Amino acid sequence: AQKITQTQPGMFVQEKEAVTLDCTYDTSDQSYGLFWYKQPSSGEMIFLIYQGSYDEQNATEGRYSLNFQKARKSANLVISASQLGDSAMYFCAMREGGGNAGNMLTFGGGTRLMVKP
Amino acid sequence: DAGITQSPRHKVTETGTPVTLRCHQTENHRYMYWYRQDPGHGLRLIHYSYGVKDTDKGEVSDGYSVSRSKTEDFLLTLESATSSQTSVYFCAISYRGVRTDTQYFGPGTRLTVL
Repeated sequence: AQKITQTQPGMFVQEKEAVTLDCTYDTSDQSYGLFWYKQPSSGEMIFLIYQGSYDEQNATEGRYSLNFQKARKSANLVISASQLGDSAMYFCAMREGGGNAGNMLTFGGGTRLMVKP
Repeated sequence: DAGITQSPRHKVTETGTPVTLRCHQTENHRYMYWYRQDPGHGLRLIHYSYGVKDTDKGEVSDGYSVSRSKTEDFLLTLESATSSQTSVYFCAISYRGVRTDTQYFGPGTRLTVL
């Protein structure tokens, strides 16, 4: 079974509008972490935001926020006030277990976001 | 900038030849990782290292070996390259950020096996 599922292969959003990128996950661990990365057309992977399973509040980093719904096992990325530079692939990833840096990340297949001017 | 470089950045090789990709970091981080990226699959872990000479397999390790003889370098070797190993390869390091251990990625190596 897929551990991380991103059901939207591609999305369009109008510049300055908000957009939600979906991510659902599957784990039996109580302690886990969820990450979002951005990959622009230049190819580098850029860390955006992190949510821990025990965090009581949704994570926010500037225009990025994570809508964490633990019971539904979803960790959707919300980008507010979209900009042209937000056009990129976005990957959701999960680390199972505690904070040990040796734990690997499992990635979803990604969502390509295209921002229209 | 996590101080990670990868070499080469692009390589074209033929089936059956050995290939070694290098990941170099400048900040003495203990954990290093090799991933491959293929369309529709996101990134998948090949091998990782938790110290000099300490390595372990990831999800897609068949056909790959790694070595880490010093902290700053993590080498990925394809002993006999196959066309199915055509991919983009990313190295990553992990270190403690403000809230958690976070992986940061190198620029990637695009490998084509003909």
